[in-house]
Amino acid sequence: GESVGLHLPTLSVQEGDNSIINCAYSNSASDYFIWYKQESGKGPQFIIDIRSNMDKRQGQRVTVLLNKTVKHLSLQIAATQPGDSAVYFCAETPQGGSEKLVFGKGMKLTVNP
Amino acid sequence: KAGVTQTPRYLIKTRGQQVTLSCSPISGHRSVSWYQQTPGQGLQFLFEYFSETQRNKGNFPGRFSGRQFSNSRSEMNVSTLELGDSALYLCASRRDRGLRETQYFGPGTRLLVL
Repeated sequence: GESVGLHLPTLSVQEGDNSIINCAYSNSASDYFIWYKQESGKGPQFIIDIRSNMDKRQGQRVTVLLNKTVKHLSLQIAATQPGDSAVYFCAETPQGGSEKLVFGKGMKLTVNP
Repeated sequence: KAGVTQTPRYLIKTRGQQVTLSCSPISGHRSVSWYQQTPGQGLQFLFEYFSETQRNKGNFPGRFSGRQFSNSRSEMNVSTLELGDSALYLCASRRDRGLRETQYFGPGTRLLVL
């Protein structure tokens, strides 16, 4: 079935450290993946996306890595800041015409000053 | 440009009642999707509307319904509310169909069913 899950429910890091958030997906036919950030009291905010024909994509302070062999997705945040504290979700879109996003459960990142 | 807005932000209902939630997409966006977010199940897709037509539907019972108006604003309705319907209901809009279009989420409507 369709399912996207996260390896770690919580992650606590020190300000300035690099953070890595991992995600496993189950649908090998998925061809598009997205990371969202959700702060308390707000809706999810788009961070970065990656297509299945890529294995790495970089944004501002963020990098997404895709390993299709083991169906694993990760989000790397460089020089983590207190403002990065939030819940992070990965989402996938199954190939084949389905246009709904399948979200993971979410992982809470806490950045300690 | 204003973001996605949802009304009301908070709502308390009792079992058996029905509720209507509203979503105004970003100006120029024609696709609106609805999601339910709960601590136990996370974010789950409810349905998507485009050009006033439901284009995609998640695995929710028929008590959950929606519609879209000609100005792209959307409403969702939940009839015969159950305790388990307590959740944050999120609306997301995008300019056009196709998931490669970035979805922008509203702040959500938090529904509590007593």
